[in-house]
Formats: sequence, structure tokens, C-alpha cells
Amino acid sequence: AQTVTQSQPEMSVQEAETVTLSCTYDTSESNYYLFWYKQPPSRQMILVIRQEAYKQQNATENRFSVNFQKAAKSFSLKISDSQLGDTAMYFCAFMSRAGYGGSQGNLIFGKGTKLSVKP
Amino acid sequence: DSGVTQTPKHLITATGQRVTLRCSPRSGDLSVYWYQQSLDQGLQFLIHYYNGEERAKGNILERFSAQQFPDLHSELNLSSLELGDSALYFCASSARGAYNEQFFGPGTRLTVL
Repeated sequence: AQTVTQSQPEMSVQEAETVTLSCTYDTSESNYYLFWYKQPPSRQMILVIRQEAYKQQNATENRFSVNFQKAAKSFSLKISDSQLGDTAMYFCAFMSRAGYGGSQGNLIFGKGTKLSVKP
Repeated sequence: DSGVTQTPKHLITATGQRVTLRCSPRSGDLSVYWYQQSLDQGLQFLIHYYNGEERAKGNILERFSAQQFPDLHSELNLSSLELGDSALYFCASSARGAYNEQFFGPGTRLTVL
């Protein structure tokens, strides 16, 4: 069974600085997706960034980027130029590609990291 | 706004009761997923429906059941409720052939007293 581990329950960063959130996962599969979701105080789950395991290039979305190390099974999220609106819980998630083509897999989430951006 | 709607937003009920949570996926999405978020268990996958058929089950209790109707909306039925069932229940939808992105609804907050 796949597992996702986020070892940092809480982190804080000063506004405009850079912060990195850690995530490791365990799987025997070679083809899968990894995601970072953000959950602000409103509780809405928002996709931040996605990485396909067969792509070696790290995904980036504006101020958000990942460091994907497939051999180490590591998937960290870097937030640059942190903003107050980045304050939220961040969840790392794994999805198997098994069953792709009509039956997409469920997400397996880590426990989350609570990020506070301080002015 | 993700395009996924969930009703009701909040639900307060007593132990032993039965409730139904409703989810309408984004237009055109065939897959509906249900997740439970609780303090104890974190975010857990419950069940996945695709175009009316059950495709996968996760940590879903036997007291819980779900279905997806021909118009693709889905309902999650929770019966014989216990205090520990208090949680935020999310529905998410995704499109066949999309980049496997799941769009989450706003959730239903269930409180069992």
C-alpha cells in the first residue's frame, strides 16, 4: 500500500521569503502522479501543483515549484516570495496511474503541514 | 469556485441517526470521489464512482454507502451515526482523459451529537 509522509506538522515564514515543505512517499509503482493541495481556513481544497512521475523536469506554477526526486521518493514544495494569502494547510498527495483511461485513481494524502506566513 | 457543489454545508444530528450528503460534479465530469477529513484520521478516500458504477472503495465503513445517479450527481448515505463520524466530507470530480486533476467541492461539515 502507498503511504505519504509529511514530517513537518507546522512551519512559519516571513512574508516575501522562501519556504520549502517536505513530503516523502512509499510505493512500488513506477508510474504515478504527485500533487500538492492547499487548504486555507475556508476549508476549500485547492490544487497547487502536479507532477507526473515519468517526467524528470520539476513542475512549476508561478511562485510554486517542486523538487521531485524519484529514486529518493521525495516531493518537496518550494514557495517563493511568500504572501499572507499562502497561509494554509498544505497536503501532499499520491495517485496511482493504475486504471487510467476511464477509472482514475483516488488520492492518498499526507497528514499535512500548517504554514503560517507572518507579516 | 471549483464547479463542484455539495449540500448541505453544515449538518448537525444525533447518534444513531441517518443522513444523506449530496454532490453535483462539474459539468461533464464522469468521476465522483468521496473523502472524509477528520482530526484523527486526516483526509481519507472513501469511495469512487465512474459514470454510475462503483470503481474503488477505500476506508469506508459498512454503515456508509454511496451511489451515483444517471444525471451524475452522487449521494453519500451515513447511517447509525456515531460521535466519531463527525468530520468534513468532501466530494471531488474529475473528467475522463483529463490530467487526473480532481476538483473538490466546498465540503459538508457533519456534527454528530
